[in-house]
Amino acid sequence: GENVEQHPSTLSVQEGDSAVIKCTYSDSASNYFPWYKQELGKGPQLIIDIRSNVGEKKDQRIAVTLNKTAKHFSLHITETQPEDSAVYFCAASLAGLTGGGNKLTFGTGTQLKVEL
Amino acid sequence: DGGITQSPKYLFRKEGQNVTLSCEQNLNHDAMYWYRQDPGQGLRLIYYSQIVNDFQKGDIAEGYSVSREKKESFPLTVTSAQKNPTAFYLCASSNPRAGDITEAFFGQGTRLTVV
Repeated sequence: GENVEQHPSTLSVQEGDSAVIKCTYSDSASNYFPWYKQELGKGPQLIIDIRSNVGEKKDQRIAVTLNKTAKHFSLHITETQPEDSAVYFCAASLAGLTGGGNKLTFGTGTQLKVEL
Repeated sequence: DGGITQSPKYLFRKEGQNVTLSCEQNLNHDAMYWYRQDPGQGLRLIYYSQIVNDFQKGDIAEGYSVSREKKESFPLTVTSAQKNPTAFYLCASSNPRAGDITEAFFGQGTRLTVV
């Protein structure tokens, strides 16, 4: 089955700096890579996702890059703000096929702390 | 408002008891999922259902059971056979289609503690 590794487990940055979180996956057939943000005591919320036919996607201060050959993808947050502090999870799935649904395999999470 | 509702938010159970966690969605999604989250670990899939009256085991199904009698509901029962049930449980739903990829939406979770 799919295996997703995520690094680092904790990340502390100064407000205004950039933050980068990296993930690798094992199943070359995976084609959908979402990133979730989870605040304390709440459920994860999707912040950005990327399909395997795209190499990069941006949404304001957030961007995700995908390298299919190396089987890794990264989350980039620019101009970090205190409200970006949360746990971030990457995930991978083989989606869009009957019988597969959106069974997501998650990384172990990154605790991001943005310090003033 | 459309979304996924999990209840209760906090649940305490005595050892040896079964307990059922509720998950309801009004997004008209076909697929629903249960994940377990432990400190320092990612989310792990317990069970999933792609359609009413059908469900499949995930990676850690032992000690759990589910039912999918209605499209909008996917309750999870944590049985006494689950050796370490204390965890944060998350329900999700999505609307997968052949040839398409859609995001999964999560509920706010239920924190189960065995006392």
